Amino acid sequence: NAGVTQTPKFRILKIGQSMTLQCTQDMNHNYMYWYRQDPGMGLKLIYYSVGAGITDKGEVPNGYNVSRSTTEDFPLRLELAAPSQTSVYFCASSYGTGGRTIYFGEGSWLTVV
Amino acid sequence: DAKTTQPNSMESNEEEPVHLPCNHSTISGTDYIHWYRQLPSQGPEYVIHGLTSNVNNRMASLAIAEDRKSSTLILHRATLRDAAVYYCILRPEVGGKLIFGQGTELSVKP
Repeated sequence: NAGVTQTPKFRILKIGQSMTLQCTQDMNHNYMYWYRQDPGMGLKLIYYSVGAGITDKGEVPNGYNVSRSTTEDFPLRLELAAPSQTSVYFCASSYGTGGRTIYFGEGSWLTVV
Repeated sequence: DAKTTQPNSMESNEEEPVHLPCNHSTISGTDYIHWYRQLPSQGPEYVIHGLTSNVNNRMASLAIAEDRKSSTLILHRATLRDAAVYYCILRPEVGGKLIFGQGTELSVKP
């Protein structure tokens, strides 16, 4: 049981490039989340999903896209990378909401230069 | 979305108890109170959660006010490894959106 796995762990992008951050969970969780965390700040919700085929915007969705074709995977796509997207990205998952525990990945450090 | 308010930072001495407060005056009846902590360069990890009654686990205790408008995370004996940012979050019974606040940065002095 690997939990929530994010790849890559570190990446440097040039302005205007695109990339996908991968997130996979093996706990059969229906809820999945993407957060970004800027230095010294709290986590900001980018997108979330309540099940395969269903996604919704969070607090800071501009510049990102997501898809949820399977229960296990929730990739985050960055189109036309900008320096403002330099951040640490965390993927998380949960089986349901309310009193259910949320499990986080180890993070992906992205620098846009 | 219901919001939480926490002090930006707190200090504690090693081996002493720590009480981390959280105000959530707009909490609704079906919101669960969750606490997570984030160690440096790591993803947040679960600490404890509750709905109405006080809760205990091996990591901490959660004291919930009778009107549920505030709660307190209690670390019974702080260790250096407890130095982290602690987040108090309200999680509704229905709906997927989960918003984090700024959290409380706890420092522990030897």
